[in-house]
This record gives sequence, structure tokens and C-alpha cells, in this order.
Amino acid sequence: QQPVQSPQAVILREGEDAVINCSSSKALYSVHWYRQKHGEAPVFLMILLKGGEQKGHEKISASFNEKKQQSSLYLTASQLSYSGTYFCGTRGFGNEKLTFGTGTRLTIIP
Amino acid sequence: EAGVVQSPRYKIIEKKQPVAFWCNPISGHNTLYWYLQNLGQGPELLIRYENEEAVDDSQLPKDRFSAERLKGVDSTLKIQPAELGDSAVYLCASSLGVGSYNEQFFGPGTRLTVL
Repeated sequence: QQPVQSPQAVILREGEDAVINCSSSKALYSVHWYRQKHGEAPVFLMILLKGGEQKGHEKISASFNEKKQQSSLYLTASQLSYSGTYFCGTRGFGNEKLTFGTGTRLTIIP
Repeated sequence: EAGVVQSPRYKIIEKKQPVAFWCNPISGHNTLYWYLQNLGQGPELLIRYENEEAVDDSQLPKDRFSAERLKGVDSTLKIQPAELGDSAVYLCASSLGVGSYNEQFFGPGTRLTVL
């Protein structure tokens, strides 16, 4: 089943923080986050594995709560370059495909 | 290092015509994926290859879609005949392997418009 992302869209001013959530109805082994700019390929951000780990990449970090089957992506002090659509991809246990959510469109304005 | 290469970038055809998309994955990547992305939606897997073997094609509409990966490198996705509902972006991705540790690298996609 397709994971549900929230919010669907958000507009921020440069420097503000954002949180994007991804929820699944099935047990998850891993969550993958991608960012896609209009007309471009999705770009990998990070992978989170079961165990409730949290990862960070400069001002972008994420957490994975396997008990709740949820992941959240945190963007701190957003920059104009952060604009785009963010997708979470979820994978269950076993050799399963990556199922992507419907995306969250993030717009950063000066 | 070169990324995933796809061609053509854009294709406009009339319904019932055939069309083919080509993908060259990152060198050394054994796993290749074809995804379909509709406007405003996330990518949906069509087929996954491990080397030259199609190991997951459960979402590929086999009545009109076909794919091949000769010699476990380049891949071609074909639609024959195309229908209006096939208009979408077709993304190719590759990874070193299929495990959860392996990130997928996407190509720029082919935007198909069926008139």
C-alpha cells in the first residue's frame, strides 16, 4: 500500500523550518527520502532502517519510528534550493519493492 | 561519474503507435528499475532487473508493455500500441544491489505524450 505523506504542500519563507511526515499501514524495514525538482530526476537524500534511527545531512535530518510505521523529514533554516517535491519510499520486510508516497510540494520564498 | 542516461527526453506520438525508451545505468550497477510517474504522483515500479533477469515485473501491463536488458547493462522499455492513458514520465533507476542499503539513482526520465 502507498504511504501517506503530509502535508501535501507547504510554503515557507527562507530560513523557516519544515516537517514532512510519511505514514504506512504496514510494517516497515526501511524508509527512503528523495527530493525532485520540476522536470528533473528524483535525488536521493537518505535511507533510514528499522531500529528508530535518526539521520542528518547538513540541515536536513529524518527520524524513523518503526513502532508507529512513520518517518519524518526535518528541514532546518530552509534555503531556496530546498524547493521541490519530497517523496518518501517505503520497503517492507523481505525483498520487496520500494513504494513511493504521493509527495509533499515544498516552496521556499525569499 | 556519469549518472543514469535516458533517451529520448521527450516523445510525442499518436495513440496506437509503438514507442521505445532507452536507459543506460550507472556503470557497475547490477539492479535496474523502470518506473512510471504520473503528474503529481510518486514513481510506481514497472519492472526490476537483477543483471539481465527480470525479477519483479508484476506491475508491468504485459499485453502492451515489454522490456529487455541485454547483457545486463542497457535496457529498453517498449509500448505497443500506446494508449492515451500511457502519457506519463518513464523513469529509469539503477542501484548496486537490491538491499535496503542501496540507494537508487534516477535518470531524468522520458516524458511521453500520447495524442
